[in-house]
Amino acid sequence: DVKVTQSSRYLVKRTGEKVFLECVQDMDHENMFWYRQDPGLGLRLIYFSYDVKMKEKGDIPEGYSVSREKKERFSLILESASTNQTSMYLCASSLSGRSYEQYFGPGTRLTVT
Amino acid sequence: KQEVTQIPAALSVPEGENLVLNCSFTDSAIYNLQWFRQDPGKGLTSLLLIQSSQREQTSGRLNASLDKSSGRSTLYIAASQPGDSATYLCAVKVWNTDKLIFGTGTRLQVFP
Repeated sequence: DVKVTQSSRYLVKRTGEKVFLECVQDMDHENMFWYRQDPGLGLRLIYFSYDVKMKEKGDIPEGYSVSREKKERFSLILESASTNQTSMYLCASSLSGRSYEQYFGPGTRLTVT
Repeated sequence: KQEVTQIPAALSVPEGENLVLNCSFTDSAIYNLQWFRQDPGKGLTSLLLIQSSQREQTSGRLNASLDKSSGRSTLYIAASQPGDSATYLCAVKVWNTDKLIFGTGTRLQVFP
C-alpha cells in the first residue's frame, strides 16, 4: 500500500512566522504535490516536483516555496505566514507518467493567528 | 481553461438507495479522471481511476463511467450505506501535464 504521511495533523502559528510542512512517501514516487483546500474553492495546486531538486509552480504559488532534497520528502515552506494562509494543506504523490493516479496524505490543518 | 463541476453539491438519502453522482469537465483533452472520497477533516482516498481510453471502472459497489466526448463522468453507488457518508471529489488529469483539476465535490449523507 502506498503511504503518504504529513508531519502534523494540526498546526497553529502566528502571523509572520516561518512555517514548514513536511510530507514523506514510501513508494519511490517521482512526483510529489502540495495542494491547499478551502471551502467553496476546492483543491488548488500550490507546487509540484517531478524529481529531486526539481519543482514547478502550480496555480497559487505566491507566498510559498518548496524543497525536495530527497526523493521521498517534499517540504512546503511559508516564508512569513499570513492569516489568509489558514487552510487545509494536502500532500500527494504519484509515479511519473500520465496514466498514474495520485495518492494523498491525511492533511495538515494550519491556522495562522 | 479546464473547469470541473460536480452536481449536486449535497445529497441526503436513506440507506439502501442507489445513487448517481455527476462530474462534468469543459475540455475533453484529458489523460484520465479520478474519483476520491474525503471524510471530514481527513485526506483524500482514491476510489477509482479511469483512463481516457476507458469507458468505465468498477470496484465493489462503485462503478464510474467516462464519456470523454461529452465531458462527463458519473459515479454510481449501489445499495448505499451510512458508512458511505463523505464528500466525493472528481479530478481530471490535464493533457500534457501531471496536474489534476478538481471539482468542488458532492457531500453525501446516507441515513439509516
